[in-house]
Amino acid sequence: EAQVTQNPRYLITVTGKKLTVTCSQNMNHEYMSWYRQDPGLGLRQIYYSMNVEVTDKGDVPEGYKVSRKEKRNFPLILESPSPNQTSLYFCASSAPPEIRVAFFGQGTRLTVV
Amino acid sequence: RKEVEQDPGPFNVPEGATVAFNCTYSNSASQSFFWYRQDCRKEPKLLMSVYSSGNEDGRFTAQLNRASQYISLLIRDSKLSDSATYLCVVDRGSTLGRLYFGRGTQLTVWP
Repeated sequence: EAQVTQNPRYLITVTGKKLTVTCSQNMNHEYMSWYRQDPGLGLRQIYYSMNVEVTDKGDVPEGYKVSRKEKRNFPLILESPSPNQTSLYFCASSAPPEIRVAFFGQGTRLTVV
Repeated sequence: RKEVEQDPGPFNVPEGATVAFNCTYSNSASQSFFWYRQDCRKEPKLLMSVYSSGNEDGRFTAQLNRASQYISLLIRDSKLSDSATYLCVVDRGSTLGRLYFGRGTQLTVWP
């Protein structure tokens, strides 16, 4: 089954404790991205990657890091999480020619206390 | 001005009703337009692409007006299962693959 898998689905952590949210897709998609979704603000792009070893900032990259060492994986790293990073996070992937059509993972609900 | 503006609703309609959602976008260079559906606390899923000539998929009709930078979604004969948030999505024109998402319009269909 074609899918984008995120882990964990739910996470409660403390301020400053480094964490990684994993994202993996089995569709051989070149393009992957991370979004956060907050009430009243909609989905905002954090980082995106056009292919292996190619990443770039989205609209709200502060406080986040990503890496793309393999085509299928695109982890999101929070080096020092803060409460304002409490949010619902989605990973998405897509591929040419329909690169603008995104397939989303099930989401990770992160709470930073 | 936000890149994509939607009426957040909520829209509460009875089964069988026809309901329309509107969306405006600010980037005249945008080339691709979509409606996504998001159920409560779940991931967004593509509902349909929007083409210049307008397009229909069963009970759903999407329209695009490039001159007015306006997109619409019409749902006919609403079902209980149509209850969700509908996201208007527009590409960024010059930057391949990057999308702007509207905040979404919430629809509740009641029996």
